Amino acid sequence: QQQVRQSPQSLTVWEGETAILNCSYEDSTFNYFPWYQQFPGEGPALLISISSVSDKKEDGRFTIFFNKREKKLSLHITDSQPGDSATYFCAASEGTGGYKVVFGSGTRLLVSP
Amino acid sequence: DPKIIQKPKYLVAVTGSEKILICEQYLGHNAMYWYRQSAKKPLEFMFSYSYQKLMDNQTASSRFQPQSSKKNHLDLQITALKPDDSATYFCASSPRLGGWAEQFFGPGTRLTVL
Repeated sequence: QQQVRQSPQSLTVWEGETAILNCSYEDSTFNYFPWYQQFPGEGPALLISISSVSDKKEDGRFTIFFNKREKKLSLHITDSQPGDSATYFCAASEGTGGYKVVFGSGTRLLVSP
Repeated sequence: DPKIIQKPKYLVAVTGSEKILICEQYLGHNAMYWYRQSAKKPLEFMFSYSYQKLMDNQTASSRFQPQSSKKNHLDLQITALKPDDSATYFCASSPRLGGWAEQFFGPGTRLTVL
């Protein structure tokens, strides 16, 4: 049983469009949600994260929207660029001090020029 | 310059054999980790080490044995390999134990077991 679910599995958008990546979780004890970006042949890298006390976190073109009641969150990538083409993982943790992170299966994003 | 080196990048093994995956970090970190990413499962935590001591083991099988010969090394020995062990294995490190926000991942070793 997956604790963190992501959809869609893959997504293609045109350059300049907004890509929306979805994530949901099961466990109410999760209260931090990092998103990772992974390029082919590389390890995942932390992109942006949000805590459950916030409903929105913005960092440049990347924004997380969080709905605690529905246990759902989404990553919006505005003005998508071909360089954003990567796999994005939603993850969940019980705190910032813990190293144990539960990952989703990822969304593969392709931004076409 | 590479901050975390994992060797080899690709590895092919036969069922029943033994392999060692190498990880070296040059970030001056005191904690190191192993994760596994397979086609069937999301990225999952395996081990954590702090100052060369095993702190957490989330791997059920004793066939997976981490080895830390130096502070900045954490190798992974896998014995009696099975096709289900086929995955990409990522090493990660952080300044201290804990704090996923401070973890830095290596490029991974892709293991294929035939």
